[in-house]
Amino acid sequence: GDSVTQMEGPVTLSEEAFLTINCTYTATGYPSLFWYVQYPGEGLQLLLKATKADDKGSNKGFEATYRKETTSFHLEKGSVQVSDSAVYFCALSDGSYIPTFGRGTSLIVHP
Amino acid sequence: GAGVSQSPSNKVTEKGKDVELRCDPISGHTALYWYRQSLGQGLEFLIYFQGNSAPDKSGLPSDRFSAERTGGSVSTLTIQRTQQEDSAVYLCASSLALGPNTEAFFGQGTRLTVV
Repeated sequence: GDSVTQMEGPVTLSEEAFLTINCTYTATGYPSLFWYVQYPGEGLQLLLKATKADDKGSNKGFEATYRKETTSFHLEKGSVQVSDSAVYFCALSDGSYIPTFGRGTSLIVHP
Repeated sequence: GAGVSQSPSNKVTEKGKDVELRCDPISGHTALYWYRQSLGQGLEFLIYFQGNSAPDKSGLPSDRFSAERTGGSVSTLTIQRTQQEDSAVYLCASSLALGPNTEAFFGQGTRLTVV
């Protein structure tokens, strides 16, 4: 079945550092790929998405590119802020319409 | 409200008791999902409702778990004879389900603690 694998956290960075959170997936078809973010005390919310190979999703300075050849969708940000501290979930959705999520990666940004 | 609403936000129950968790999806969203979020385990799919179709119950972990969705809107997740391993945050989400790239909107969850 479908699955999503994310790097283990927590990821701890200083403010203005570069961020990469790795995500790889296994799917039988051509899924849509997502990053969701869960800020402390809040529900998950969509951060960005990509629907086909080589698409780049971007939002709030975050980017991720749909790489079919490596089945990856790594999340990047050039300069993180303290307010980016949250848990980040990679997810995919295929023809079943039921999103499959990774385990989540906690990001902690220090001033 | 405009978002997905879940109640209660916190629930502490004794082992062996039954609990009901409620979800009010966004108006007009035909799809509704329940997930369970355990510490270090990510989001585990439980059940999916889409319009008037039979629900996809493939994620329910045991027959102690059941869910219904009345009138295509509000959903209730019921856990019978709760066990300590049922302790988790139960998340509800809804979407327009226009395609696999449709965004899911999540509630803030119900934190269930079984003592």
